[in-house]
Amino acid sequence: GQNIDQPTEMTATEGAIVQINCTYQTSGFNGLFWYQQHAGEAPTFLSYNVLDGLEEKGRFSSFLSRSKGYSYLLLKELQMKDSASYLCAVTDSNYQLIWGAGTKLIIKP
Amino acid sequence: IAGITQAPTSQILAAGRRMTLRCTQDMRHNAMYWYRQDLGLGLRLIHYSNTAGTTGKGEVPDGYSVSRANTDDFPLTLASAVPSQTSVYFCASSDSQNTGELFFGEGSRLTV
Repeated sequence: GQNIDQPTEMTATEGAIVQINCTYQTSGFNGLFWYQQHAGEAPTFLSYNVLDGLEEKGRFSSFLSRSKGYSYLLLKELQMKDSASYLCAVTDSNYQLIWGAGTKLIIKP
Repeated sequence: IAGITQAPTSQILAAGRRMTLRCTQDMRHNAMYWYRQDLGLGLRLIHYSNTAGTTGKGEVPDGYSVSRANTDDFPLTLASAVPSQTSVYFCASSDSQNTGELFFGEGSRLTV
């Protein structure tokens, strides 16, 4: 079966750095997405990786290793507004999007 | 404001009743999707449409139907609501099938 694994919950301190991991087993690969979802709101797009390596966008970076079926989202200089769930999703060979359950990130002062 | 609009935002529905959740987008996106989101589970695809006039079944289609008469609208109908359909429903659209950014509506919270 197809599967996306990410930690259920993480806690970090304001101003620090946190890395959220995502591992996947899918039938083929056509890209990996990260979305941010604040409580009670809709998911919003953060990043898209289709090739190996690091994509940097401001305080957020996303890394992909296709050979390892692994990605991480790196958040720097954490702010209280970064408290949210972070969703990892993979597009498989049939162009179906497989979603992880999300990682709830709690930021403490 | 360009985007994707869902209605209603919230609804309490008696079991056995019929309900249609509305979704409209003005971005001229070809692909549209309906997801449900339940606590502890990832987004689960109910139905999708890659272009106007076509629809397909997702992971959890039973008890739901959709139509795509035009590019902008993608309503989701529950023919006879059951308590297990209590959930938050998100409509989404994208320019290309699952290789482009998904734009989500604000969600419809349904309690049966």
